[in-house]
Parts: sequence; C-alpha cells; structure tokens
Amino acid sequence: DAMVIQNPRYQVTQFGKPVTLSCSQTLNHNVMYWYQQKSSQAPKLLFHYYDKDFNNEADTPDNFQSRRPNTSFCFLDIRSPGLGDAAMYLCATNLGQANQPQHFGDGTRLSIL
Amino acid sequence: DAKTTQPPSMDCAEGRAANLPCNHSTISGNEYVYWYRQIHSQGPQYIIHGLKNNETNEMASLIITEDRKSSTLILPHATLRDTAVYYCIVRPLAGSARQLTFGSGTQLTVLP
Repeated sequence: DAMVIQNPRYQVTQFGKPVTLSCSQTLNHNVMYWYQQKSSQAPKLLFHYYDKDFNNEADTPDNFQSRRPNTSFCFLDIRSPGLGDAAMYLCATNLGQANQPQHFGDGTRLSIL
Repeated sequence: DAKTTQPPSMDCAEGRAANLPCNHSTISGNEYVYWYRQIHSQGPQYIIHGLKNNETNEMASLIITEDRKSSTLILPHATLRDTAVYYCIVRPLAGSARQLTFGSGTQLTVLP
C-alpha cells in the first residue's frame, strides 16, 4: 500500500496560471520534503518541513511556496509557472533521523502549456 | 554539491550479480552511505544504507571499504525489473541538512 501519495500523477497548467500539487502520508513522519526533477536529471531539493518549521533551500525560486496544514499533508504551490518549471515533483517523508530512510511518492509530472 | 562519484552506466546479464561502485573519498565520520534507485517514471526507492559495517537486506548488500572512501552495492541475482538509475548518497548523521543530495547516479541496464 502506498504510504506517500501524490495527486495528481499528471498535471497540466497554462503558463502563468497558479497550480498546487499535493502530497499525503500515512507514516506519521515529522519531515516532509519537496524535490524537483527535470528530465534526465537527478532530484533537487526545493524545501522541507520539520514538523511546522519550514526550511527553504537557498536557490529555490520565490515562485515556489509550500504549506503544511497538518502532519499528513503538504502542498507545493507554484504561483506563476514558467516553461522552465515543467518537471517531475517528488514528495518524500522521513522520521527526522539520519539513520532512517526517506520514503518517496511516485511524483507529479507537471506540464506547462 | 553531490559528494559521490559513480559510473554513468553499467550493463548486467539477467541472473548475474550486479556490482555498482561508488566513490565518496571526502566522506566524514558522521556521514552515512545511502543507496536509492529510481525506475523510470517512479519515485526513488530506498535500497540500503550503512555507516561503517557491511550491510545486507532482502534487496541488496552494501560493502563499505575499511577507509570508508568507497562502497559497492551488490544485487545478487539481477532481474529485468532491476533496470533503473542507482544513486549513491552521503548523508549527515545530524543537523538540519538531513536531506538527500543526489548525484548523477548509474543507469543499470539488465540484459536478457
């Protein structure tokens, strides 16, 4: 059974039209991460929440925001998507301990028209 | 920046052992070695991790050299479903930087 669930699997939006991607988890993990993975590249961390504490990576564009209303859910908001934001967006969770692995969802593939 | 070096691609015959090398010569004493794989169009899947000792689970074995500067992931009997990109990642023990920093990985192709 999937423990990190991302919806939808495929999302199409128009250039400049705000879009929200969602992630839910049944693991009750403290930490939730959002990664961006462009075609033929490795995943790149955008930000993470440790409980309610938000941690942004230094090079994450301001266009990307996140919300975590409760332990189970985390959202990625792209305020004004550009063509360069087309990518796979991966959500992951972790207990917050280095000796515990991260668990990934299967991602949402975002296309920009 | 990724702290690991892996060959970009490898082939392996189905049923044979796949040995995937990783160099992490700058690893520090408080960093784990993690291995993940990513099958096309799926999220990364955790395989195994270790600190100093060799590790084995139902998926694979991890051999870490005594100086910890390199490691090898072993899939004992590769199947076609093991075709994927394999990532070797060094991850700190503590601190806020517990995220995974992915390198380029190794594309493993299992051939029939």
